[in-house]
Amino acid sequence: GAGVSQSPSNKVTEKGKDVELRCDPISGHTALYWYRQSLGQGLEFLIYFQGNSAPDKSGLPSDRFSAERTGGSVSTLTIQRTQQEDSAVYLCASSDHRGLAGAEQYFGPGTRLTVT
Amino acid sequence: AQSVTQLDSQVPVFEEAPVELRCNYSSSVSVYLFWYVQYPNQGLQLLLKYLSGSTLVKGINGFEAEFNKSQTSFHLRKPSVHISDTAEYFCAVSRPTSGTYKYIFGTGTRLKVLA
Repeated sequence: GAGVSQSPSNKVTEKGKDVELRCDPISGHTALYWYRQSLGQGLEFLIYFQGNSAPDKSGLPSDRFSAERTGGSVSTLTIQRTQQEDSAVYLCASSDHRGLAGAEQYFGPGTRLTVT
Repeated sequence: AQSVTQLDSQVPVFEEAPVELRCNYSSSVSVYLFWYVQYPNQGLQLLLKYLSGSTLVKGINGFEAEFNKSQTSFHLRKPSVHISDTAEYFCAVSRPTSGTYKYIFGTGTRLKVLA
């Protein structure tokens, strides 16, 4: 079946502009995660959704970052007034946690964001 | 708070040699542990996971890891590596009793297999 998809695959934007990154999880997966991957920094947790609600948004770096999930499916990560330090690969993952806390996360290919 | 430490940022090893990638975690409560692999220009995929039971866990592609509670470690091993194992490996932890399914990842270890 279809995996996790993300769009766009690459995004180049000018400093100060807003960007929206999209994630389509695997159908039926209740949990959705956003991570940021920077060189040498590993995977930085940003936010996690269970259904449409976000029980943990502790990883969002600043109030310029926000995310929403609608219909228990698609999620959008929005970065306002982008800065050069926002340049990174943004990864989305989904997981089916119904009754299984240790469920595997399935990752999308990522969106490479470059802020010039 | 939980944290995951992967002390080795890069590990070069010759083909057919054994390899161990180290992972240590900090948590005062029980945890679930995972190893993910990211091949060049690909997304992350699960190698193996420890939830409970036997402390020796076998995964895909001949990898295995051993959970050591007293040393709070979950090192990944392979007895004989191939060129195709060149990738970045991430250790991750989650807390099954926390009421949330948040995962904490380490900074990754880049395995370079040399011919």
